[in-house]
Amino acid sequence: SQQGEEDPQALSIQEGENATMNCSYKTSINNLQWYRQNSGRGLVHLILIRSNEREKHSGRLRVTLDTSKKSSSLLITASRAADTASYFCATGGTQGAQKLVFGQGTRLTINP
Amino acid sequence: DGGITQSPKYLFRKEGQNVTLSCEQNLNHDAMYWYRQDPGQGLRLIYYSQIVNDFQKGDIAEGYSVSREKKESFPLTVTSAQKNPTAFYLCATREGGYNEQFFGPGTRLTVL
Repeated sequence: SQQGEEDPQALSIQEGENATMNCSYKTSINNLQWYRQNSGRGLVHLILIRSNEREKHSGRLRVTLDTSKKSSSLLITASRAADTASYFCATGGTQGAQKLVFGQGTRLTINP
Repeated sequence: DGGITQSPKYLFRKEGQNVTLSCEQNLNHDAMYWYRQDPGQGLRLIYYSQIVNDFQKGDIAEGYSVSREKKESFPLTVTSAQKNPTAFYLCATREGGYNEQFFGPGTRLTVL
């Protein structure tokens, strides 16, 4: 089952602009994570935000979490061509096995 | 991709054949996971293992089997019972606690 739904499915912006991706989920979570995937490659972890946190920053990345609305957003500021990739949110449950449930992803294209 | 290796990178299989995908890690992580990714989709969990000699079914285990005889290794067998095995397969590990997962580079399986 895929809990997360991401919006938009595809996003195309000019280099230097900011990119915002949204993720919604359905059940209670321990944490929410964002991953990046370049075409044909494995996933790279970007940032993890726990259920008791509202905002987190890492370099040009800013993630927010609203547990009352069961939603999260990923903001990439000052985008670069190298940011072109697919971005996935994944929710971590409250059980010890920490099974992640992934959304379908947002395909981000940065135009030079 | 860190200390996780998956082999082979590309695998071709004839219908009716079983194939085994390799996943090896040198991160000393306890938990290991197998995911399937179809084109333009998110990841779906096949099997996971939290400790050696123990594993559990994920959301789409039918037609797959695994073993966890060593901490470093978590091979996935795609059996002939899997009706539509053509996909990108990703292995991941997690150190412990409610933390991020680390992904291997993936194996692309094509059924001829």
